[in-house]
Amino acid sequence: SYVLSQPPSVSVAPGQTARMTCEGNNIGSKSVHWYQQKPGQAPVLVVYDDSDRPSGIPERFSGSNSGNTATLTISRVEAGDEADYYCQVWDSRGYLFVFGAGTKVTVL
Amino acid sequence: EVQLLESGGGLAQPGESLRLSCAASGFTLSIYAMSWVRQAPGKGLEWVSTISGSGGEIYYADSVKGRFTISRDNSKNTLYLQMNSLRADDAAVYYCARDDCGARCYIRFDHWGQGTLVTVSS
Repeated sequence: SYVLSQPPSVSVAPGQTARMTCEGNNIGSKSVHWYQQKPGQAPVLVVYDDSDRPSGIPERFSGSNSGNTATLTISRVEAGDEADYYCQVWDSRGYLFVFGAGTKVTVL
Repeated sequence: EVQLLESGGGLAQPGESLRLSCAASGFTLSIYAMSWVRQAPGKGLEWVSTISGSGGEIYYADSVKGRFTISRDNSKNTLYLQMNSLRADDAAVYYCARDDCGARCYIRFDHWGQGTLVTVSS
């Protein structure tokens, strides 16, 4: 089955840029979606279709996808961005949703 | 406003059954595929099952196939997950989630409930 790999953690100072990757075989041919989950809360969609943002999500959140790597970028990081971030794709061959293991973003 | 409210979680012994419900409001349930996603304590998100808007297409993760059954009653705006033969590794917060792609389209989850906790222990 399709596998998505994410780094376990990323640390960033306030005001700086956080980048986290999501690796999968030829992931550039798929639509990648990103979720933010804060402790004790349900996940929230922050980027969909590689690089689009739902209404209400700050422009500081952006995404890209090419080759074997998708990337979520958070610009001008704020303390409130501290959370776990999950990438997700739909595996149309296996008819199943796949999540990465998640990246914990720590704001220093 | 779209709202999803799960219920039915609780404590079950290994081998027992539970039925989860997800009450939907603020949108027409029948025109959306719906899914269950779970999260074991301290772990990541795991997709469990998906059902199309009409209920005619159903998909399961291998980890629950043959034990869990997803269903929906669009007239009651409710999604269900019947969980049989529960195991310790089924313990998790179970979320229902809406796929904004359409009734027979599966892409992503634009709205999630707050989750219901399932504990499996003797």
